[in-house]
Amino acid sequence: DTAVSQTPKYLVTQMGNDKSIKCEQNLGHDTMYWYKQDSKKFLKIMFSYNNKELIINETVPNRFSPKSPDKAHLNLHINSLELGDSAVYFCASSQDGAGELFFGEGSRLTVL
Amino acid sequence: GENVEQHPSTLSVQEGDSAVIKCTYSDSASNYFPWYKQELGKGPQLIIDIRSNVGEKKDQRIAVTLNKTAKHFSLHITETQPEDSAVYFCAAMGQDSNYQLIWGAGTKLIIKP
Repeated sequence: DTAVSQTPKYLVTQMGNDKSIKCEQNLGHDTMYWYKQDSKKFLKIMFSYNNKELIINETVPNRFSPKSPDKAHLNLHINSLELGDSAVYFCASSQDGAGELFFGEGSRLTVL
Repeated sequence: GENVEQHPSTLSVQEGDSAVIKCTYSDSASNYFPWYKQELGKGPQLIIDIRSNVGEKKDQRIAVTLNKTAKHFSLHITETQPEDSAVYFCAAMGQDSNYQLIWGAGTKLIIKP
């Protein structure tokens, strides 16, 4: 019973392609997030989203877009992939946007 | 805005010894300071946190101390074991960061047998 699950775990694709990563949480949390972790392990928040508000990190290119069909899901769509998009992407959730974050196991994206 | 600095970037200790990781933050209004552990191939996981109304918190072999005046907080791991090997992240949250976690750069902890 994984609390936060994301798919796929690995994704290898060519530059210019469009891809999506899916995330689901079964914790009943109100807030979900997408993080990018680069090769140096630095964690960078990309988006936080609850049923009221989407907060976008201003440094995230508009090629990245989160889509939430319902409270338990927050998918990440990436258009026109670039080499620099290669990273591990983590989905996370929290109750009320404060306190403990619960992370998924990550999706490693490799752009060739 | 808030800025969190974490040191060292890599720490190697002998099994059984203690490990200390330090973080400093810039926003005096920050009031929540968690520590996360990330094992290889996994997502980060909360191991301990502290709020600004206390100076120290302990949970078995791990402890966190907070010095609000100096704006720094530290993670202490005693009697280190091989399974403590991981990357550790500190973070800070407060009103000025719009209640978003601001993360340190991470510390790779290596426990030598």
